Amino acid sequence: KQEVTQIPAALSVPEGENLVLNCSFTDSAIYNLQWFRQDPGKGLTSLLLIQSSQREQTSGRLNASLDKSSGRSTLYIAASQPGDSATYLCAVKGGADGLTFGKGTHLIIQP
Amino acid sequence: GAVVSQHPSRVICKSGTSVKIECRSLDFQATTMFWYRQFPKQSLMLMATSNEGSKATYEQGVEKDKFLINHASLTLSTLTVTSAHPEDSSFYICSASRTSGTFIYEQYFGPGTRLTVT
Repeated sequence: KQEVTQIPAALSVPEGENLVLNCSFTDSAIYNLQWFRQDPGKGLTSLLLIQSSQREQTSGRLNASLDKSSGRSTLYIAASQPGDSATYLCAVKGGADGLTFGKGTHLIIQP
Repeated sequence: GAVVSQHPSRVICKSGTSVKIECRSLDFQATTMFWYRQFPKQSLMLMATSNEGSKATYEQGVEKDKFLINHASLTLSTLTVTSAHPEDSSFYICSASRTSGTFIYEQYFGPGTRLTVT
């Protein structure tokens, strides 16, 4: 059974810093990996999706990498802003199955 | 494109009653829809997968007679929580998946429904 782990569980950094969120998964037979953000009491906002054949994806200040063989992904956030404060979720997909989510990293950017 | 809506966004019901939650894909046809549940400060857990016109597949530990799923069309799936109890209070989120060009198996999430059972 696929298991997804996210480290750290919580992170608080001053505004402007670059930061890295980590995600690991136990079964490397994935179809894709997706990073989401979730604001308190809200649904999910998709940030980046990496297909299994890809190594990374970029969107603005966000960069996600994928090393499928080692079961790892990182989300890099450049020049963090208070508006980036949210919970970041990593999820993997195996074919037609639903997503398996990690427990998330609760991020606080201090103004 | 790829917008998924859910209705209602919030619902409060009394213990023992049933509640229906709708999930709609607004601008695409969803061959598969997924239902997730999220307890406070926990991550999302997949409850069931539904394909249009066939019975839903439930994850281990999810009672199919309690959580009725109907996927009657390519744009609508419903989740009915029957005989709701306070422990069913949770955030329910649906997602829809389409198969089209480069968007194979990508899931699009609805905004969620907050269910409170009193």
